Amino acid sequence: KAGVTQTPRYLIKTRGQQVTLSCSPISGHRSVSWYQQTPGQGLQFLFEYFSETQRNKGNFPGRFSGRQFSNSRSEMNVSTLELGDSALYLCASSLGDSTADEQFFGPGTRLTVL
Amino acid sequence: GQNIDQPTEMTATEGAIVQINCTYQTSGFNGLFWYQQHAGEAPTFLSYNVLDGLEEKGRFSSFLSRSKGYSYLLLKELQMKDSASYLCAVDGPLVFGKGTRLSVIA
Repeated sequence: KAGVTQTPRYLIKTRGQQVTLSCSPISGHRSVSWYQQTPGQGLQFLFEYFSETQRNKGNFPGRFSGRQFSNSRSEMNVSTLELGDSALYLCASSLGDSTADEQFFGPGTRLTVL
Repeated sequence: GQNIDQPTEMTATEGAIVQINCTYQTSGFNGLFWYQQHAGEAPTFLSYNVLDGLEEKGRFSSFLSRSKGYSYLLLKELQMKDSASYLCAVDGPLVFGKGTRLSVIA
């Protein structure tokens, strides 16, 4: 079974630009969660999508948004990029039936904002 | 809200036993996860505790005490490949601690 894939793996943008990251979950998984990981703050939850609906949302500004498609693939978008948005963005998929479901993480997208 | 605390770094010797602690203040959760993350890689699942007590899985064990707001991950017979960050998280959705970077030395 293929794992979680994320594209692109690396991205360099400048302040003010916007970016879209993509995540393909494990086949059969209906939940996709997004996280931001930085050395100072660790792993922070952005949002979770389940069956094309945002089910949970973390404490991030509205510049961070996401969506999920009918095939469970998900995208997240960050608009008006700031230097502080430089981070590793991880997505994780799970069956989604319970919060106890094991989450499987993708390799991440390393975003650098200059 | 939820607040999760872990030591930032720990060092242990190959072959030894190490205990990584995690304390939390949370308004409610279903269970507590432990994940392992090697440098430059994605986190991988280690354990999930719902009930108080010890869950053993090979060289790794995880303990939970809800009344004390406390969990720990116990690693036995340490190997060099165990050098990684260990992340404690409570679910509903996942809220992670900042992780403990474990270095295993010869």
